[in-house]
Amino acid sequence: DVKVTQSSRYLVKRTGEKVFLECVQDMDHENMFWYRQDPGLGLRLIYFSYDVKMKEKGDIPEGYSVSREKKERFSLILESASTNQTSMYLCASSPSRTGKTNEKLFFGSGTQLSVL
Amino acid sequence: AQKITQTQPGMFVQEKEAVTLDCTYDTSDPSYGLFWYKQPSSGEMIFLIYQGSYDQQNATEGRYSLNFQKARKSANLVISASQLGDSAMYFCAMRGTYGGATNKLIFGTGTLLAVQP
Repeated sequence: DVKVTQSSRYLVKRTGEKVFLECVQDMDHENMFWYRQDPGLGLRLIYFSYDVKMKEKGDIPEGYSVSREKKERFSLILESASTNQTSMYLCASSPSRTGKTNEKLFFGSGTQLSVL
Repeated sequence: AQKITQTQPGMFVQEKEAVTLDCTYDTSDPSYGLFWYKQPSSGEMIFLIYQGSYDQQNATEGRYSLNFQKARKSANLVISASQLGDSAMYFCAMRGTYGGATNKLIFGTGTLLAVQP
């Protein structure tokens, strides 16, 4: 089975801290994604990557950056955490670079981040 | 622009009854795919069912079926014989044709389903 692992299930940080959210997939998938989930807003795409060292902005990239140095690992970075970044963060991966319409995403269990 | 709309923030259903979760979408792509995911309280998103825009028949996966009405741009999820374990958040999602590697999956706002004994 495909496994997408997020390093922390719950995380509490202080305003202004630099925060790293780590995600690892074990199925050699080309694409990796970071979503943010908020009540009433659903899932919104922050950043995604379709290759090592490649990244693309999603719909809400402001205040975030990403790193993909190895194929299996995709990190989300909050340079200076703010209270409005308190949210559930979901990492996902998908197999191919072609982006077929029927290609589903495989998700991790999420990281609930609280910024105080 | 592509958009997914789920108008039901929350629903109740009695155990063993069927329930329909609504989803409408908007896209100008000639070909697209529609997905439903389940998110239990554990947080993980679980893929349930997929419907392609050119599929002739409605998709079914066990107790899940997708009522696809292309002209109305709706892709409702039907869960038959609800079980307590079906209590979860349900998300409708869509991917269009264009964009290649950058072809994104966009999600609706979700419907929280509570199954009552």
